[in-house]
Amino acid sequence: GAVVSQHPSRVICKSGTSVKIECRSLDFQATTMFWYRQFPKQSLMLMATSNEGSKATYEQGVEKDKFLINHASLTLSTLTVTSAHPEDSSFYICSALTSGAVEQETQYFGPGTRLLVL
Amino acid sequence: AQKVTQAQTEISVVEKEDVTLDCVYETRDTTYYLFWYKQPPSGELVFLIRRNSFDEQNEISGRYSWNFQKSTSSFNFTITASQVVDSAVYFCALIRGFKTIFGAGTRLFVKA
Repeated sequence: GAVVSQHPSRVICKSGTSVKIECRSLDFQATTMFWYRQFPKQSLMLMATSNEGSKATYEQGVEKDKFLINHASLTLSTLTVTSAHPEDSSFYICSALTSGAVEQETQYFGPGTRLLVL
Repeated sequence: AQKVTQAQTEISVVEKEDVTLDCVYETRDTTYYLFWYKQPPSGELVFLIRRNSFDEQNEISGRYSWNFQKSTSSFNFTITASQVVDSAVYFCALIRGFKTIFGAGTRLFVKA
């Protein structure tokens, strides 16, 4: 099956710094990628939909200036948490939709990135 | 509105017991997809099954089986003869168009 990677897998940073998380589709092109956030013992919540070459679409309640998303190529989307604070500590998961998919039936998830802000 | 309800927060069973994880969904759409994912302690989501709204056939894959009933909007998942390695959080998800709605998840503990 298709493979999606995330880097880094784990990051610890100081409050106030910015952190960039990469999501790559390794063996397929993805016009659409999704970013989710998962707090401990909770479900995945969609943060934003990232489309190659255009602005991301953010879900209600997600600050677009705080969570910058860039989808510059068909295989890479990045999520930058700007001026991170302890409450941003979470598990961030991306997923990629294979190009040409009619429905979201071919969504592949990355392994996730654990962010801890001190 | 779209919604997925997994009423069982945690389930604890002893190895070799059968266990059923419930999933009830809400949608007004006629075309949608339902999924089950497993999330072990490592965090990575493992795809288990996809079912579209027009396919109500039940499915069996090894020790796993799924019962899709549109009449009750349910898509339940049964693990037969559970094993310790089945311990994980299991998520049911509804996909409509380009939106994925996850249930709250059911944490399964299988004790040896």
